Amino acid sequence: DSGVTQTPKHLITATGQRVTLRCSPRSGDLSVYWYQQSLDQGLQFLIQYYNGEERAKGNILERFSAQQFPDLHSELNLSSLELGDSALYFCASSRQGTNSPLHFGNGTRLTVT
Amino acid sequence: GESVGLHLPTLSVQEGDNSIINCAYSNSASDYFIWYKQESGKGPQFIIDIRSNMDKRQGQRVTVLLNKTVKHLSLQIAATQPGDSAVYFCAEGEGGKLIFGQGTELSVKP
Repeated sequence: DSGVTQTPKHLITATGQRVTLRCSPRSGDLSVYWYQQSLDQGLQFLIQYYNGEERAKGNILERFSAQQFPDLHSELNLSSLELGDSALYFCASSRQGTNSPLHFGNGTRLTVT
Repeated sequence: GESVGLHLPTLSVQEGDNSIINCAYSNSASDYFIWYKQESGKGPQFIIDIRSNMDKRQGQRVTVLLNKTVKHLSLQIAATQPGDSAVYFCAEGEGGKLIFGQGTELSVKP
């Protein structure tokens, strides 16, 4: 068990809808990362937060947004969902913001129908 | 329509043999490298990491080798076991984020 908790485990929704994925990092970890894993794209970095501030941004669509709250949990909001957004979404956390292992949760599987 | 999955390189080894999984990275400025193991239905699990000022690091049954000259990283698993069957990803650290390679599927035959 990595200590990173993601909810929900599975989410099925329709195109055009909006969903929120939640992540609780390991105790003591200040940095949270979001990754998308789809069959044809592998693990794609979306965004990183460190102690509530956005630290780095990857290939995150404008329809997606995230935030990290004062208690360090994070949420990833996906809106105007398209079929191609169906994927596994992983949250990871680390002690520091750079050059330290990321510890991943077990992901949220999003299916857009 | 038909969906096309990611065609991962596959390595098939006999139980008890040593496995070597290779990875080429792209950014010569990367200074941190890491290997993950991902089993079906689970998130990636940290195996071992190495910083760019080292060329070798050993863990329990695993060794990571880094060759910065040719931008190559390898993971060696000694005495491979059926429980090692999984997809293995290398990743390079770039400005605080980890950029993952496409992965290699390791299959261990009993």
